[in-house]
Amino acid sequence: TQLLEQSPQFLSIQEGENLTVYCNSSSVFSSLQWYRQEPGEGPVLLVTVVTGGEVKKLKRLTFQFGDARKDSSLHITAAQPGDTGLYLCAGGENTGTASKLTFGTGTRLQVTL
Amino acid sequence: GAVVSQHPSRVICKSGTSVKIECRSLDFQATTMFWYRQFPKQSLMLMATSNEGSKATYEQGVEKDKFLINHASLTLSTLTVTSAHPEDSSFYICSAYVGGYTFGSGTRLTVV
Repeated sequence: TQLLEQSPQFLSIQEGENLTVYCNSSSVFSSLQWYRQEPGEGPVLLVTVVTGGEVKKLKRLTFQFGDARKDSSLHITAAQPGDTGLYLCAGGENTGTASKLTFGTGTRLQVTL
Repeated sequence: GAVVSQHPSRVICKSGTSVKIECRSLDFQATTMFWYRQFPKQSLMLMATSNEGSKATYEQGVEKDKFLINHASLTLSTLTVTSAHPEDSSFYICSAYVGGYTFGSGTRLTVV
């Protein structure tokens, strides 16, 4: 069974602070995705990374895929209250086709004023 | 972009009854849909993969006779929770792949 461990599980910070969320696995994934989920809603895709060592930036969010494609990180610069939510990484078995996603354990972020 | 419409968003049912959850792909055809369950403050756990016109593939530990999945058309997949019990109370989410994964808005099931 593939497992994706995220750390920290919970993070409460003030507006303007920086943070990093980690996603680690002992398995290799073809792709890794990051989602944000609001309460009572489905996850919304933030980014997909497929190449080992790949770095993608989405405004204040920076995503990195480990060289061995087993781990990933999400860095948020100058967090804002709107960043509050559950962040989930998910590993995909294949790229370009429908395949199972294995979700990480989740990181709940709370950004206060 | 691709939209998956999931209904109902919330449902309360009595123990022993059955509940059907629908997921429709609105502007694309979904050969495959994935069904997840999410308990409070936990991550998503894949329950099963439904394939249009064939039997669903269930993950280990998921009772196929309890969680009936039907994918009779390319735009509709349904999950029926049969003989529901309070421990089935959870947030159920469907997902389809069309160049990327699109998720429904989820169904909060409460069994009383």
